[in-house]
Amino acid sequence: AQSVAQPEDQVNVAEGNPLTVKCTYSVSGNPYLFWYVQYPNRGLQFLLKYITGDNLVKGSYGFEAEFNKSQTSFHLKKPSALVSDSALYFCAVRDSRRSQGNLIFGKGTKLSVKP
Amino acid sequence: DTEVTQTPKHLVMGMTNKKSLKCEQHMGHRAMYWYKQKAKKPPELMFVYSYEKLSINESVPSRFSPECPNSSLLNLHLHALQPEDSALYLCASSHLDMGLAGGNEQFFGPGTRLTVL
Repeated sequence: AQSVAQPEDQVNVAEGNPLTVKCTYSVSGNPYLFWYVQYPNRGLQFLLKYITGDNLVKGSYGFEAEFNKSQTSFHLKKPSALVSDSALYFCAVRDSRRSQGNLIFGKGTKLSVKP
Repeated sequence: DTEVTQTPKHLVMGMTNKKSLKCEQHMGHRAMYWYKQKAKKPPELMFVYSYEKLSINESVPSRFSPECPNSSLLNLHLHALQPEDSALYLCASSHLDMGLAGGNEQFFGPGTRLTVL
């Protein structure tokens, strides 16, 4: 079965500190992995994706993610958190069982960055 | 234009009403999606259109009726909804994946906040 897991409901970070939001995946075949962010009462914004190539993927707003095949993880990171990064973050995997694969989302992690 | 627009932003309807949600994109995407999202939960897929044809229906009740009149527009017609259908309805679009491979990101609209009384 295709799935992603986000083990933390909430992550609290002080502004200026590094942040990590965790994601692990379970897929058959090659994983296509995504991170999205959602601000309150808004749609989802694409941050970055891993398809193939370098394990370190750089995305929007200074975010990056590290793909680790042996640990089946795709953790989202940022070297220095901003208060404006506070939002709900979703990890997702493409459903490769279908020819037009939808996204299968994790449950989401609420990131809270305090000044 | 890298935007997906959705109208209306908010909708309140009674259980006997008929209403429609609209979604538009001008990025040349040939795949369009409807998702339903409850508060603090991940989006759940409802429908997928590929080349303006319905390709995935996630066993959604018939009171939700999707329509894709052209490659830029996607509608969701609502009729006889239940209070539990109250949610944020998200539209998304993407380039088509190549068969079972491919990882095109989806672009989401801001959503329509639906309340069914």
